[in-house]
Amino acid sequence: DVKVTQSSRYLVKRTGEKVFLECVQDMDHENMFWYRQDPGLGLRLIYFSYDVKMKEKGDIPEGYSVSREKKERFSLILESASTNQTSMYLCASSFFRNNEQFFGPGTRLTVL
Amino acid sequence: LAKTTQPISMDSYEGQEVNITCSHNNIATNDYITWYQQFPSQGPRFIIQGYKTKVTNEVASLFIPADRKSSTLSLPRVSLSDTAVYYCLVGDGRGDMRFGAGTRLTVKP
Repeated sequence: DVKVTQSSRYLVKRTGEKVFLECVQDMDHENMFWYRQDPGLGLRLIYFSYDVKMKEKGDIPEGYSVSREKKERFSLILESASTNQTSMYLCASSFFRNNEQFFGPGTRLTVL
Repeated sequence: LAKTTQPISMDSYEGQEVNITCSHNNIATNDYITWYQQFPSQGPRFIIQGYKTKVTNEVASLFIPADRKSSTLSLPRVSLSDTAVYYCLVGDGRGDMRFGAGTRLTVKP
């Protein structure tokens, strides 16, 4: 089975802190994605990557950056956390472009 | 970009067939339609994917009309364990992807 793991299930940070969320997949998938999930809004794409060192913006990239130095690992970075970034963050991976995405369990981030 | 709209919630009873419709009027030629299921404290899980007409697998069917402006997820004979949030995703697998806000399905005994 494909496994997508995220570094933390719960995280509490203070406004202005730099935050790193890490995601690792074990199935040699080409594509990796970061979403945030908020009540009533569903999942919104922040960034995605289709290859090592490649990244593209999704719908809501402002305030976020990403890093993909190795194929299996995709990191989401909040350069200076703000309270409106309090949310559930989900990482996903897929093999082909339109193939099913496999999601991690999510990281619930609270910014105080 | 395709905007996806789906009902906020639905109720059903065990053993019934449930149909959840997603509207996506601006769907693009390269877009696929994918449905996911999500339980509390878990990430979404793939259910089914289609491009046009009908697709069926062991857990669901997906009906897509010729104009592709909507799609219907059909769950046959639901059980209590099907209580979850169901998301419709329309997109090309890269940046142009839109999840709906999700439909909370409650299955009652």
